[in-house]
Amino acid sequence: DAGVTQSPTHLIKTRGQQVTLRCSPKSGHDTVSWYQQALGQGPQFIFQYYEEEERQRGNFPDRFSGHQFPNYSSELNVNALLLGDSALYLCASSSGTNQPQHFGDGTRLSIL
Amino acid sequence: GNSVTQMEGPVTLSEEAFLTINCTYTATGYPSLFWYVQYPGEGLQLLLKATKADDKGSNKGFEATYRKETTSFHLEKGSVQVSDSAVYFCALTGAGSYQLTFGKGTKLSVIP
Repeated sequence: DAGVTQSPTHLIKTRGQQVTLRCSPKSGHDTVSWYQQALGQGPQFIFQYYEEEERQRGNFPDRFSGHQFPNYSSELNVNALLLGDSALYLCASSSGTNQPQHFGDGTRLSIL
Repeated sequence: GNSVTQMEGPVTLSEEAFLTINCTYTATGYPSLFWYVQYPGEGLQLLLKATKADDKGSNKGFEATYRKETTSFHLEKGSVQVSDSAVYFCALTGAGSYQLTFGKGTKLSVIP
């Protein structure tokens, strides 16, 4: 049973560019959340998708957007990249409300 | 808003020593509480959880008890192993919220 899978594993971009990160949830899960983890910090909630809609959003600018597909997979898009966007981006999936979130291994994004 | 405060690291222990990592929280209502563990180069793994006051979560020899009166959820293990070396995150989901709020993490190193 595959867990949460994310691609790519690593990515290098330059300032001003745009990036798309992808996530496939654990089998049986219908909810996907995205988190940003800066070096040495705890993950910060970006947003959560359920039934192809953004259900809740954290304190991130509109440059961060997402999408969920009918098969429950999800994308995170970041526009106009800044140096401060360099971080590990984690995807988590869950099934139903109040169920634990299961995390993928993340995408390491470096901005030059 | 919700917040989690956990003890600063790093923590270095000898094998078979007793471990305590302190965690306190601020939240309205009755949050669910979690401990996650992150091994080098990996995403977060759920270690244990508790969803109501006085619940004790346990897994792999680790334990934590949900203390409403002290708003705490301290992680303990009676005898640590080298393989327990990792970063440990305390987290919560607030009532009516879908997001996980994390502490900054505590790095544990266990030496033989």
